[in-house]
Amino acid sequence: GNSVTQMEGPVTLSEEAFLTINCTYTATGYPSLFWYVQYPGEGLQLLLKATKADDKGSNKGFEATYRKETTSFHLEKGSVQVSDSAVYFCALSTYQGAQKLVFGQGTRLTINP
Amino acid sequence: DTGVSQNPRHKITKRGQNVTFRCDPISEHNRLYWYRQTLGQGPEFLTYFQNEAQLEKSRLLSDRFSAERPKGSFSTLEIQRTEQGDSAMYLCASSLVGAGGSNTGELFFGEGSRLTVL
Repeated sequence: GNSVTQMEGPVTLSEEAFLTINCTYTATGYPSLFWYVQYPGEGLQLLLKATKADDKGSNKGFEATYRKETTSFHLEKGSVQVSDSAVYFCALSTYQGAQKLVFGQGTRLTINP
Repeated sequence: DTGVSQNPRHKITKRGQNVTFRCDPISEHNRLYWYRQTLGQGPEFLTYFQNEAQLEKSRLLSDRFSAERPKGSFSTLEIQRTEQGDSAMYLCASSLVGAGGSNTGELFFGEGSRLTVL
């Protein structure tokens, strides 16, 4: 079946550090890949997405590239801020039937000033 | 606020009682989803509606769970005879899917309804 595996957290970094959160997936067909973010006290919101191999999704300084050969979609940011502290979820959708998302377990990120 | 709204935000109940959660999606969205999230895990798909039709249910949705979307707008998720294992955050999401199934792939989530079964 379809599944997503994220690097385990929590992750704690200092402001302006480089961030990588690893995400790998298993899927039949050609999934679309997503990163969702959940800020404290808020609902999940889409951070970025990529719908086909080699696509790069980007938003708010975050980037992730759809790597079909390594079945990965790692999230990166060159210089994190305190306001990036949140829980990050990698997810996939195969658009088979429903627009269902299969999520990873989430990675809690804390940025210290 | 025109986002997805869920009520109540937190429900504490005793084992064996029934609970109902309500979700009001973004008004023009035709798809509505329910997910369940337990502590330290990502959301898991429960069911979804296209307008008023419930098109798919996960095996996670036991016969104690029932979801409705009677007029294709708001939805309710009822859990009968609650068990301690039902304690979780119940998330609602909505999206707009165009003719032929075209969509952006983005789901818009509410803040969730947290259930605690004592």
